[in-house]
Amino acid sequence: DVKVTQSSRYLVKRTGEKVFLECVQDMDHENMFWYRQDPGLGLRLIYFSYDVKMKEKGDIPEGYSVSREKKERFSLILESASTNQTSMYLCASTQPRTEANQPQHFGDGTRLSIL
Amino acid sequence: AQTVTQSQPEMSVQEAETVTLSCTYDTSENNYYLFWYKQPPSRQMILVIRQEAYKQQNATENRFSVNFQKAAKSFSLKISDSQLGDTAMYFCAFMTNTGNQFYFGTGTSLTVIP
Repeated sequence: DVKVTQSSRYLVKRTGEKVFLECVQDMDHENMFWYRQDPGLGLRLIYFSYDVKMKEKGDIPEGYSVSREKKERFSLILESASTNQTSMYLCASTQPRTEANQPQHFGDGTRLSIL
Repeated sequence: AQTVTQSQPEMSVQEAETVTLSCTYDTSENNYYLFWYKQPPSRQMILVIRQEAYKQQNATENRFSVNFQKAAKSFSLKISDSQLGDTAMYFCAFMTNTGNQFYFGTGTSLTVIP
């Protein structure tokens, strides 16, 4: 089974701090994604990466950056955390379409609170 | 751009009954993939069922089945013989043919009542 591991289940930080959310997958997947999940808004894509050192902006990239130095690891960075970034953050990975209809595999999520 | 719409924010069903969750989407693509995901309270998001747009036959996984209407761009999920463990948030998702882009609906919170 695919394992997607997010480094923290719960995290509390202060406004203005630099925050790192880490995600690791063990299936050699090429594509990795960061979403935030808010009630009534579903999942919104922040960034995705289709290869090492490659990244693409999603629907809501403002206030975030990402890093993918190794294939298995995709980090989400809040450069200067703000209270409106309090949310549940989900990491996912998948193979590209050439591997047939591969769904996304999700981590457990990180519930981030910014005080 | 693709959009996915789930018009039922909350639903409930009696245990052992059948419930249908609706999902519509908008796309100009001809080949794509559709998924239903389940997210139990405080637990991981997991795949329930998938459907390829080029297949006319509706997908089935045990008690879960879909009604895929390509022309209407509709992809509903039917849960038969509902169980307490089916209580969860359900997300409908669309994947582009390249596999690089996923779009999710806003979710339907399903409660199974004993």
